Order: sequence, then C-alpha cells, then structure tokens
Amino acid sequence: IAGITQAPTSQILAAGRRMTLRCTQDMRHNAMYWYRQDLGLGLRLIHYSNTAGTTGKGEVPDGYSVSRANTDDFPLTLASAVPSQTSVYFCASSDSTGGYGPLHFGNGTRLTVT
Amino acid sequence: KQEVTQIPAALSVPEGENLVLNCSFTDSAIYNLQWFRQDPGKGLTSLLLIQSSQREQTSGRLNASLDKSSGRSTLYIAASQPGDSATYLCAVRNYGQNFVFGPGTRLSVLP
Repeated sequence: IAGITQAPTSQILAAGRRMTLRCTQDMRHNAMYWYRQDLGLGLRLIHYSNTAGTTGKGEVPDGYSVSRANTDDFPLTLASAVPSQTSVYFCASSDSTGGYGPLHFGNGTRLTVT
Repeated sequence: KQEVTQIPAALSVPEGENLVLNCSFTDSAIYNLQWFRQDPGKGLTSLLLIQSSQREQTSGRLNASLDKSSGRSTLYIAASQPGDSATYLCAVRNYGQNFVFGPGTRLSVLP
C-alpha cells in the first residue's frame, strides 16, 4: 500500500542523546514536511522540503535538522535531545508539481525525552 | 500571518444526528483548505480538499463548504455514527505558504 512510513513508532531517549527519526514515502511526492503535535498547541511545522536537495525552516525549527538527499527520504535529527522535545512527530508529503496537492501523513513517532 | 480556529473544541451528539463542524481563518487569500480526521493515538487521515475556486466538496456522508470572503469552512456530517468519533482538523494553505492547522474539534457520537 502506497504511503508514508515512519520509524520508530515510539522511542524513549535520554536527554543529550542524538536521535534520527526516519520518514520514507513511495508516492514520489516532491514536497515533504515534519510536524510535531503537542496537547494544547496543535500541529506545528518543524522543517519542510519543497523538492529533493532543498529544505526550509518551519515554525519551530530550533534543535532539529533535516536533509533531503533524494525524493523518497526525509529524516529528522535531534542533535542533543531535551525534555521539551517530548512529542508526537508526524511526517507528511504532498505533490506540488501542478499546484498544491493534499497533505498525506504517516502514523507518527511518539518520542519521550527523559 | 494566517490563523485558524475551530469551534467548538468538543462536541457530543447522539447517533443519527446531522452535524456541522466549523473552521475559521483570518487571511482569505487561500490556495486550498483540507479537512482531516485523527483517531486517538493515530495519524491524520485526509477527508476532503477544497480548492480556492470551489464552493464545496462531497465524499459519502461528508460535505465540506468554503466561503473565502467570510473566512469560513464547514464540514457537514450526515447521519452520524459512533465510528465518526474522532478529532477533526482543518488546515489552510495560502499561496506560497505551508499549511496552517486549526486546533481541532473532538467529536463524540453516542450510540
């Protein structure tokens, strides 16, 4: 089934550790996004990529980095995790080649930083 | 800066009722608007996407309308079922911008 795969599904991480959340899509969408979802704050954009080789900062980029080496993969890295990064992280993609298409979401990664 | 609100924050209705969920946005120069549902502990599932040139979109028991001039969209659910219980989110995209999400409406349909 075509879609977005995120890994891991959940993780408990000690503060100060480095962590990479993986995201792979098989729909050949040009645009990809990382969101975090927190109770009371809703969905907030962390980083995005409009096409392979380019990335941009969203609303809450501090403490996170991304790369887009190819169309399918868009990993999110926490260089040195802090407890405030405890959240549910969602990867999404859209096809923007002929205009802005709908967003498609992965199932999320639940991250707890202790 | 685009701001999106959804009222009410939570809604509880008996099974079989028709209901309307509201989404308001401050900047009417939108490109499109998308409605999602999210079940507890799950990801977001796309329901409907309305382009700025459209007035409404329908999928099964769902109908979404768009009134750009008033900065509003509504999601109409006909003959609600307990399986419709979820959080419903709307997201708005302006030209050259990324989607901005509303906080969601938590719907409970009681059997």
